[in-house]
Amino acid sequence: DGGITQSPKYLFRKEGQNVTLSCEQNLNHDAMYWYRQDPGQGLRLIYYSQIVNDFQKGDIAEGYSVSREKKESFPLTVTSAQKNPTAFYLCASRRGQGNQPQHFGDGTRLSIL
Amino acid sequence: AQSVTQLGSHVSVSEGALVLLRCNYSSSVPPYLFWYVQYPNQGLQLLLKYTTGATLVKGINGFEAEFKKSETSFHLTKPSAHMSDAAEYFCAVTGDRGSTLGRLYFGRGTQLTVWP
Repeated sequence: DGGITQSPKYLFRKEGQNVTLSCEQNLNHDAMYWYRQDPGQGLRLIYYSQIVNDFQKGDIAEGYSVSREKKESFPLTVTSAQKNPTAFYLCASRRGQGNQPQHFGDGTRLSIL
Repeated sequence: AQSVTQLGSHVSVSEGALVLLRCNYSSSVPPYLFWYVQYPNQGLQLLLKYTTGATLVKGINGFEAEFKKSETSFHLTKPSAHMSDAAEYFCAVTGDRGSTLGRLYFGRGTQLTVWP
């Protein structure tokens, strides 16, 4: 079955540490997205990429970095500059134009040790 | 940029009662609209979408939504709630021009509780 795989499901970060969240899709979708979810705040866009080797900042990009070297992969690094990283992180992908829905992975929950 | 307002962060209904979850968006240019559902510790699942054509759209699990351009609304309804409908629901709209067409703007979500 095609889908989006996020790993790990749970992740813990120590002070001053960078951590990388994995997102892989086998849907052959061009566009991929990273969201941060905090209780009562909905989903906020961190970064998105509409084609390989290109990505744009979303609304809360500070303290995060991404790469898009392959169509199927869009890893997110939470850097030590992100002072409040505890949240639920969701990856999504979409094919074609904006009228197509985004498909979501099952998320990674990041906590501070 | 778009903004999406979901009235009521929590909605409670009895099993068998009507479910009404409200969503209003800001753009005067009709975007594409979506409703998603999220169960605890899971990703979002698409319930339904409006792109063009008929303004009343039907989705999965008996949900439907009506796009009203004059009211900039896209409210979600279900005639009869079931216990399994308890979840968080998100309304989302695309940007209305240029490069923002590729991204979604989400409301803050409505937590639906269904009482037996």
